Amino acid sequence: RKEVEQDPGPFNVPEGATVAFNCTYSNSASQSFFWYRQDCRKEPKLLMSVYSSGNEDGRFTAQLNRASQYISLLIRDSKLSDSATYLCVVNRGAGGGNKLTFGTGTQLKVEL
Amino acid sequence: EAQVTQNPRYLITVTGKKLTVTCSQNMNHEYMSWYRQDPGLGLRQIYYSMNVEVTDKGDVPEGYKVSRKEKRNFPLILESPSPNQTSLYFCASSLSGTGSEQYFGPGTRLTVT
Repeated sequence: RKEVEQDPGPFNVPEGATVAFNCTYSNSASQSFFWYRQDCRKEPKLLMSVYSSGNEDGRFTAQLNRASQYISLLIRDSKLSDSATYLCVVNRGAGGGNKLTFGTGTQLKVEL
Repeated sequence: EAQVTQNPRYLITVTGKKLTVTCSQNMNHEYMSWYRQDPGLGLRQIYYSMNVEVTDKGDVPEGYKVSRKEKRNFPLILESPSPNQTSLYFCASSLSGTGSEQYFGPGTRLTVT
């Protein structure tokens, strides 16, 4: 089992749609969780951190379920500019060294 | 402007010819790391550094070397490149390790023939 698993997609959605991505992680000691966005083989950029209580940033909502070890990202009112690959990122906790594990990404295509 | 820079951005080389990819950040970050990205495998960490003169192996360190003599620079060295090191390489820095935002450089696309 991969340490971080994501559905690779692509998710093709019409503009204005709501889309949700899930990500599961295997290390129960993980402490920090993030969603990064990557455009077309460019550098990843932080979209948002994910907190236990859930957090929202405009049209984006992130949730963490520690018991089931999954993270979700919800995008409301999709824009064409949201088309990108979304990377789920998890740190490995104290026992895993100072390292991050990246999922392989979920590709989103927003269409007219 | 706060940024991470990498050079070169594109490099085609031959097997066995030593090369260095430079990485520099101007944010006074303590933590720096190198990743490679390959289709279907995601980003995998090669080496990281917690501070000057402190480096450690990531998940795929074989065939690579690093050094951290100054806080702002973290070069990646391939002593004898091989075709399986053909990849997209990213340098990243962060203020305080894996709990904080990683700032990535623009990437270096390396082809080893």
